[in-house]
Amino acid sequence: DAGITQSPRYKITETGRQVTLMCHQTWSHSYMFWYRQDLGHGLRLIYYSAAADITDKGEVPDGYVVSRSKTENFPLTLESATRSQTSVYFCASRGLQVTDTQYFGPGTRLTVL
Amino acid sequence: AQKVTQAQTEISVVEKEDVTLDCVYETRDTTYYLFWYKQPPSGELVFLIRRNSFDEQNEISGRYSWNFQKSTSSFNFTITASQVVDSAVYFCALSEAVGYSTLTFGKGTMLLVSP
Repeated sequence: DAGITQSPRYKITETGRQVTLMCHQTWSHSYMFWYRQDLGHGLRLIYYSAAADITDKGEVPDGYVVSRSKTENFPLTLESATRSQTSVYFCASRGLQVTDTQYFGPGTRLTVL
Repeated sequence: AQKVTQAQTEISVVEKEDVTLDCVYETRDTTYYLFWYKQPPSGELVFLIRRNSFDEQNEISGRYSWNFQKSTSSFNFTITASQVVDSAVYFCALSEAVGYSTLTFGKGTMLLVSP
């Protein structure tokens, strides 16, 4: 009963490199989300998805790409990492109803040097 | 646009004190949901409560209580007889009641409970 998992949990990369953060949920939730957490900003929405092959931009999407070919997976790719993308990234999922609670993964701490 | 304000950046209390975390929100929606999440030092985000905009009843769960006042757009969270294990960052969040129902978070309040 894993729920929602993220990998890797920690990642150090260099400016300009491509990085993919993985998110997997076992609940068959329709909705999935990516947030970043930065000191002084709380959590901000990057991208979200209502179902496989349906994605949309959140508050801070620049520099990120998402895909959702399978319901259970929602990878987030930084095409060319920048230092400003150093952050903690949280994936979340929710059931189909708006009354369903959004549950979060454990987070990935990404450092871009 | 939705907005959540947690004016208290950091609060320090001594164990057994009561503490209230403030949350003020802005939304044009008539139906919406309010949430509190806890983020302990280990880093995960733990769901605490969800309230519907049409239900202004206060809620109590053990040492935790929530005061929702639509008239002042506030959803405050009180911990009674605080404990060291309550030390965490607490986030208030708001979502619309339709569509994606994405969460808009406040910046969080760090609560430090010392023995």
